[in-house]
Amino acid sequence: EVQLVESGGGLVQPGHSLRVSCVASGSNISSYWMSWVRQAPGKGLEWVANINQDGNEKHYVDSVKGRFTISRDNAKNSLYLQMNSLRAEDTAVYYCATAFRSAAGIDWGQGTLVTVSS
Amino acid sequence: QSALTQPPSASGSLGQSVTISCTGTSSDVGGYNYVSWYQQHSGKAPKLMIYDVSKRPPGVPDRFSGSKSGNTASLTVSGLQAEDEADYYCNSYAGSNNLGVFGGGTRLTVL
Repeated sequence: EVQLVESGGGLVQPGHSLRVSCVASGSNISSYWMSWVRQAPGKGLEWVANINQDGNEKHYVDSVKGRFTISRDNAKNSLYLQMNSLRAEDTAVYYCATAFRSAAGIDWGQGTLVTVSS
Repeated sequence: QSALTQPPSASGSLGQSVTISCTGTSSDVGGYNYVSWYQQHSGKAPKLMIYDVSKRPPGVPDRFSGSKSGNTASLTVSGLQAEDEADYYCNSYAGSNNLGVFGGGTRLTVL
């Protein structure tokens, strides 16, 4: 089992940028696909992005394409989500997860809250 | 990608069985044997319960089972226990050029 800890959430103004991070322990993430999944307050889960083991294949939900970038550093056992041009509708808890290509999450972090508001 | 369709709520009595459906299209649920199910207790992170339609990760009780017919996948919880009360989400692969999609979630109440 992989333990995941997200960080970097907070309050940000619309149009601004934020980077959230996820550090893994207990196992090396280099053998896993990785995902970011978000959950707006009181709403369901939304798969935001995933990335393959080498970092050369990435997929995004349509609503964040061109604004968000997923990346990883296997040497640091870390996953990142760079979020630009943030909107109010991006307000959510962002979860990091180890994944299969075909499933959003195996092991999950506890999430980090991103609030986009003026 | 459009969200998969789940009933907003389901309920069952202690010890009984309940089945939650998840309906998609031939582009997701019906096209691949890659449906997963997640349990989420209030204020907690999701937990993987079923993957690849019917496989259970280590540690998940065999009271949880998954199946699929056509464009609809199902999660069955047998021998309902109080701790099964939670939100359940389905998730499907949607092809090599797509991310995949979640259902809207089902709140399971144990009576």
